[in-house]
Amino acid sequence: GAGVSQTPSNKVTEKGKYVELRCDPISGHTALYWYRQSLGQGPEFLIYFQGTGAADDSGLPNDRFFAVRPEGSVSTLKIQRTERGDSAVYLCASSQTSFNEQFFGPGTRLTVL
Amino acid sequence: DAKTTQPPSMDCAEGRAANLPCNHSTISGNEYVYWYRQIHSQGPQYIIHGLKNNETNEMASLIITEDRKSSTLILPHATLRDTAVYYCIVRVANSGGSNYKLTFGKGTLLTMNP
Repeated sequence: GAGVSQTPSNKVTEKGKYVELRCDPISGHTALYWYRQSLGQGPEFLIYFQGTGAADDSGLPNDRFFAVRPEGSVSTLKIQRTERGDSAVYLCASSQTSFNEQFFGPGTRLTVL
Repeated sequence: DAKTTQPPSMDCAEGRAANLPCNHSTISGNEYVYWYRQIHSQGPQYIIHGLKNNETNEMASLIITEDRKSSTLILPHATLRDTAVYYCIVRVANSGGSNYKLTFGKGTLLTMNP
């Protein structure tokens, strides 16, 4: 069946610009997660959605980062006023419930010039 | 979540079993051991998890010591396609806490050699 998909696969932007990264979870998965992975490091938790609501956004680095999941399916991670330090691979994962194993998408590689 | 310690890299010959160790000496009684792997340029992939008994599935076996302070992931008959970074993660088991959060370390880069 279809796995988690993320678009775009690559995004190059200039410092100060706004970007949106999209995640399509596995159908029927109520839990959705965003992680960020810098070069040579493991993924780092950003935010967790249960249904439409953000149950834990403690991993978002600052208020330039925001994520939504308005209908409890697709999620969008939004980054305002991008900085070079935001360059990383942004991973999305979904799971049937918060305790089941998480299935990851291929990630979006964001490069801020 | 308890911290895990893994060797940064390992080499293994194709066709042999790959044994990846993980130390989690501060694990709590309500924490599971999870293993994920990440092949280059892909997202992490779930492999297996366990609480205190040994577990086996179609991908791997997980051996957890009796005191639960360490574990070993075993990939039987590993192939070149098993080259990846392997992450050992401990995760709270009970609902109501932050059981959803996966805390990744740097993992072990397993390189399979022909």
